[in-house]
Amino acid sequence: EVQLVESGGGLVQPGGSLRLSCAASGFTFSAYTMNWVRQAPGKGLEWISYISVSRNTIYYADSVKGRFTISRDNAKNSLYLQMNNLRDEDTARYFCARLKWFGDSPSLDYWGQGALVTVSS
Amino acid sequence: QSVLTQPPSTSGTPGQRVTISCSGSSSNIGSNTVNWYQQFPGTAPKLLIYSNNQRPSGVPDRFSGSKSGTSASLAISGLQSEDEADYYCATWDDSLNAWVFGGGTKLTVL
Repeated sequence: EVQLVESGGGLVQPGGSLRLSCAASGFTFSAYTMNWVRQAPGKGLEWISYISVSRNTIYYADSVKGRFTISRDNAKNSLYLQMNNLRDEDTARYFCARLKWFGDSPSLDYWGQGALVTVSS
Repeated sequence: QSVLTQPPSTSGTPGQRVTISCSGSSSNIGSNTVNWYQQFPGTAPKLLIYSNNQRPSGVPDRFSGSKSGTSASLAISGLQSEDEADYYCATWDDSLNAWVFGGGTKLTVL
């Protein structure tokens, strides 16, 4: 069974830092591109970052570029998101999501339950 | 402001058929396949439709998807009370190099 479990969320002051982790199991983690998607309270889904299998392709949403860093450790079946210089508007639940290719059609097919990040003084 | 445009809400009565639209552009829906997600409060999104019109194992055939040009739609037939949830469309955007989502549609079963 595919499982993605996020951890590392919490309360942080504006300007602070936090590192999220996503532990993967039930599939060959090293064979899949991974993503982070967030959802602010009462709002919709917002994609924030993408990392390829070999880490040679990384993308960020403009809203987090220069502040957030995505990484992965294939040996540990883990995905990470280092978040620096946090702002109030970064308050959200952060989901890790697996990217699966159905032929030539990409899909975020499995999602974790999310880690809640609250930025507040 | 979401890159993909969905109606914020829709409703229907049990047994009815409802559709949710998703409008994009040539760089996203016009170039790539569309996914649909169902989300209940406090839970993770669940993949409902991939590749425009394909259902993952376990998704009832009451749910169907279609795409034409730069728009897509999700149809739910034989509406049930347990279908009350938020629905999101999503696809890759070739210009932004980003996944883009619709703003979500809240479905209410009256």
